[in-house]
Amino acid sequence: NAGVMQNPRHLVRRRGQEARLRCSPMKGHSHVYWYRQLPEEGLKFMVYLQKENIIDESGMPKERFSAEFPKEGPSILRIQQVVRGDSAAYFCASSSTSTQETQYFGPGTRLLVL
Amino acid sequence: SQQGEEDPQALSIQEGENATMNCSYKTSINNLQWYRQNSGRGLVHLILIRSNEREKHSGRLRVTLDTSKKSSSLLITASRAADTASYFCATVPYGNNRLAFGKGNQVVVIP
Repeated sequence: NAGVMQNPRHLVRRRGQEARLRCSPMKGHSHVYWYRQLPEEGLKFMVYLQKENIIDESGMPKERFSAEFPKEGPSILRIQQVVRGDSAAYFCASSSTSTQETQYFGPGTRLLVL
Repeated sequence: SQQGEEDPQALSIQEGENATMNCSYKTSINNLQWYRQNSGRGLVHLILIRSNEREKHSGRLRVTLDTSKKSSSLLITASRAADTASYFCATVPYGNNRLAFGKGNQVVVIP
């Protein structure tokens, strides 16, 4: 019973390129959350999605960032025209229902922008 | 502002000793959770305490919650070298599922 999976684990991009981060939730989970962790900081909420719907994107930067969770396939966090300040660890978590209190985290994707 | 603010301490203790860390928050919460993160790894859920609970135990972990003071503490008893990690508290406000994390508390257990 695989847990939350994220890939790639490490991603290096040059300024101006696009970054695509993938998250496959735990089996049976249809709720996905994305968080960003800057060095020496705690995690900060970015976006909450259910299948095909964005429920809460209040933590997403207004520009360059987007997220989706299609009917089939993983959730994708997309960062266009990356800048050095986007360098961080991006974590995905999942839950089975909107009321399930525990979120299960993936290992994260560490993005480095050169 | 960020909910869940741990005391910004880095704890260094000997194996076998107890480790205590604190967390404060600002607004009403549904529950408060503690997570552990080993260096360069993902987060592992440790324990959840609801707003109507005052104390909870799980193995060597003991969590308290004081909603009047808007604070929580995590106690790790009989620490082991494997407990070396960063520990985060995260609050869940009423009405949404977002976890609001503090900055973390780094604990080093010396064998």
